[in-house]
Amino acid sequence: EAGVTQSPTHLIKTRGQQATLRCSPISGHTSVYWYQQALGLGLQFLLWYDEGEERNRGNFPPRFSGRQFPNYSSELNVNALELEDSALYLCASSLPGPADSPLHFGNGTRLTVT
Amino acid sequence: QKEVEQDPGPLSVPEGAIVSLNCTYSNSAFQYFMWYRQYSRKGPELLMYTYSSGNKEDGRFTAQVDKSSKYISLFIRDSQPSDSATYLCAMTSGTYKYIFGTGTRLKVLA
Repeated sequence: EAGVTQSPTHLIKTRGQQATLRCSPISGHTSVYWYQQALGLGLQFLLWYDEGEERNRGNFPPRFSGRQFPNYSSELNVNALELEDSALYLCASSLPGPADSPLHFGNGTRLTVT
Repeated sequence: QKEVEQDPGPLSVPEGAIVSLNCTYSNSAFQYFMWYRQYSRKGPELLMYTYSSGNKEDGRFTAQVDKSSKYISLFIRDSQPSDSATYLCAMTSGTYKYIFGTGTRLKVLA
């Protein structure tokens, strides 16, 4: 069974640019979560998508957005990049309904903003 | 007070030792508990997933949940240098909201 895949592995952008990160969940998983893991900090919840809809978002500004496609893959867009956006962005997927279904993570996209 | 507290370490142990990693939490609604292992520059890998109180064993790993004390533990038997990583606890009440500890860095010395 293929795990959660994320692309690209690394992304280098300059301040003010836009970044697009992509995620393919495990087959059969309909929920996709995005987390930010900045150096020295824990996982910060960004967004949750289920069945193509944004179900909830964390305490991040609107320039963090995304979508989920009909095949349940997802992309995260970060507009007007700031230096403090540099972090590891992790995608996780789970079976339908968060209860009784742990999150499975990809290896992340390391975003560096210069 | 944070919802989940986890000692950041680092915790250094000799090869072959039994390792005990712990998290405490404050929300009695949490019912599902997870342990993840994260190697440097990689995503968290699910190690253990338990529901409610009790023990669960998988190979060298044992997860314990004590809901009355709001305390969870992960034990690693016969620790190996390859176990050196950051270990994250996570929990949820069954909603979308998963709460993660900040992680404990473990180093197993050969």
